[in-house]
Amino acid sequence: IAGITQAPTSQILAAGRRMTLRCTQDMRHNAMYWYRQDLGLGLRLIHYSNTAGTTGKGEVPDGYSVSRANTDDFPLTLASAVPSQTSVYFCASKKTMNTEAFFGQGTRLTVV
Amino acid sequence: GESVGLHLPTLSVQEGDNSIINCAYSNSASDYFIWYKQESGKGPQFIIDIRSNMDKRQGQRVTVLLNKTVKHLSLQIAATQPGDSAVYFCAEIDYNQGGKLIFGQGTELSVKP
Repeated sequence: IAGITQAPTSQILAAGRRMTLRCTQDMRHNAMYWYRQDLGLGLRLIHYSNTAGTTGKGEVPDGYSVSRANTDDFPLTLASAVPSQTSVYFCASKKTMNTEAFFGQGTRLTVV
Repeated sequence: GESVGLHLPTLSVQEGDNSIINCAYSNSASDYFIWYKQESGKGPQFIIDIRSNMDKRQGQRVTVLLNKTVKHLSLQIAATQPGDSAVYFCAEIDYNQGGKLIFGQGTELSVKP
């Protein structure tokens, strides 16, 4: 059982480049989330999706976009990376009316 | 905007003692309040939740208390063990706001042997 998987595990990216962080889950969860975690700031919600075909903005959506073409995948795209987007990114999923979210192992992104 | 936050960033306790981690929230319309545990290098893991119409909920060695009058949430860990060392986050869900899962800032719990 894979659960929820993120790729890549880590990445160093030049400023201005485009990057897509991948997230896949095999639990058939309807709700999926993307967070960034910076030191001392906890997890901040970037975008979320309650079901395939729908997405919503979180607390810090600027500079990021998402898509939800199917239930399993929820990619996060940085159109033109900036150094302030250096962070650890976590993807999570859960059943819609549950409170228990399952998190991936994270992607450590450094923008230089 | 609405937010969930914590009183203290760090907490150090002796092994075997009880730990109390506190959280203040501002969205009184939240449906659930949840506690997550994050160990170093890993994603957060669910510990326990409490529905907004409840005051107390107990799990295995953990108890969550909700005081809606002062908008305060706490997590009590009984007989704290070294394996409890981690960062603890409170979080909230408001289904009238799209069901977004919003996290507070976190408290780092350190257990001394």
